[in-house]
Amino acid sequence: GAGVSQSPRYKVAKRGQDVALRCDPISGHVSLFWYQQALGQGPEFLTYFQNEAQLDKSGLPSDRFFAERPEGSVSTLKIQRTQQEDSAVYLCASSLAIELDYEQYFGPGTRLTVT
Amino acid sequence: QQQVKQSPQSLIVQKGGISIINCAYENTAFDYFPWYQQFPGKGPALLIAIRPDVSEKKEGRFTISFNKSAKQFSLHIMDSQPGDSATYFCAASPSYGGSQGNLIFGKGTKLSVKP
Repeated sequence: GAGVSQSPRYKVAKRGQDVALRCDPISGHVSLFWYQQALGQGPEFLTYFQNEAQLDKSGLPSDRFFAERPEGSVSTLKIQRTQQEDSAVYLCASSLAIELDYEQYFGPGTRLTVT
Repeated sequence: QQQVKQSPQSLIVQKGGISIINCAYENTAFDYFPWYQQFPGKGPALLIAIRPDVSEKKEGRFTISFNKSAKQFSLHIMDSQPGDSATYFCAASPSYGGSQGNLIFGKGTKLSVKP
């Protein structure tokens, strides 16, 4: 079946522009995570949704970052007034259930370059 | 403060050899330890995972060894193949009453298997 999809796959933004990154999780998956992966590093947690509820946003680096999942399916990560340090791959992951052992399935990511 | 430390940063192994990647953690609240494989341009994909109540788990050519008292765990890839060449991440996650939390990743190990 279809996996997690993300769009766009690549985004170039000028410093100061706003961007919106989309995640389509696997159908029926309850949990949705956003991670940021800098070049040559491991992914770092940004925020977590259980259905439409944002339960943890402790990893968002500043108030310029905002995420939503209004109907408990598609999620959007928005970055306002982008800065060069925002350049990274943004990964979305979804999981069927909330129990610990359920696998997080990752999408291919959106590579954001801020010039 | 890095919560999951991974070594080595890079590893070169001959085809048919054993690849060993090590991770150490500090937070005793971690309750789930997965290993992810990532190819260039792709999202991480789950390889194998372990809970701290077992000391070893094997799936095909992949084995996790877990030492709870030392707070260390490792991935062994037996009979390494060129197709195993990828970046490997260890991760850890706390359990919130049996519910999953976000994954905390190591910095990754770039494995190259020479034919």
